[in-house]
Amino acid sequence: KNQVEQSPQSLIILEGKNCTLQCNYTVSPFSNLRWYKQDTGRGPVSLTIMTFSENTKSNGRYTATLDADTKQSSLHITASQLSDSASYICVVREGGSYIPTFGRGTSLIVHP
Amino acid sequence: GAVVSQHPSWVICKSGTSVKIECRSLDFQATTMFWYRQFPKQSLMLMATSNEGSKATYEQGVEKDKFLINHASLTLSTLTVTSAHPEDSSFYICSAEEQGDRNQPQHFGDGTRLSIL
Repeated sequence: KNQVEQSPQSLIILEGKNCTLQCNYTVSPFSNLRWYKQDTGRGPVSLTIMTFSENTKSNGRYTATLDADTKQSSLHITASQLSDSASYICVVREGGSYIPTFGRGTSLIVHP
Repeated sequence: GAVVSQHPSWVICKSGTSVKIECRSLDFQATTMFWYRQFPKQSLMLMATSNEGSKATYEQGVEKDKFLINHASLTLSTLTVTSAHPEDSSFYICSAEEQGDRNQPQHFGDGTRLSIL
């Protein structure tokens, strides 16, 4: 069964600090991995997409990494802002069927 | 960028009522739309995948007679919760994919909060 595990489940940091969120998956065959940000009461918004051949991709203060051999990804947030408080969801798509498997998300709270 | 509109955003109704939720892709054609359910502090649970012009594919444990999905056009999919009961109260979110490119992101609606009294 395809699984996506995220850690930590929740995280509280001070404004301006950096943090790293983890995503481990067992989805096979692999198509792509995407990180989404979901604000409370809203739909998720895509931050980055990683395909098999990509190791690192940045989008502003967000940097995602992918190790396809160990089936791990991380999302690094630099110089956190209050608006970064949200749930961050890792979604891995299966090759062929393209069915998405969602992680449970990491709830990030940034305090002033 | 691509926008998905979901309507209504909030519904409160009595037990036994049927509720229809609409999901529209506003500036692109969506071959595939997904319907999700999300409980508080949980991730999205895929309920069903709908492809335009064909029957929806439901995930295991999701009652297709309870959650009716219609994807009659490339810009509109609807989810009808039939004879809703309090246990159906949840946050329902749809997403849509642009035709042809599976590496494009799913574009999510802002969800519908359904409360059954």
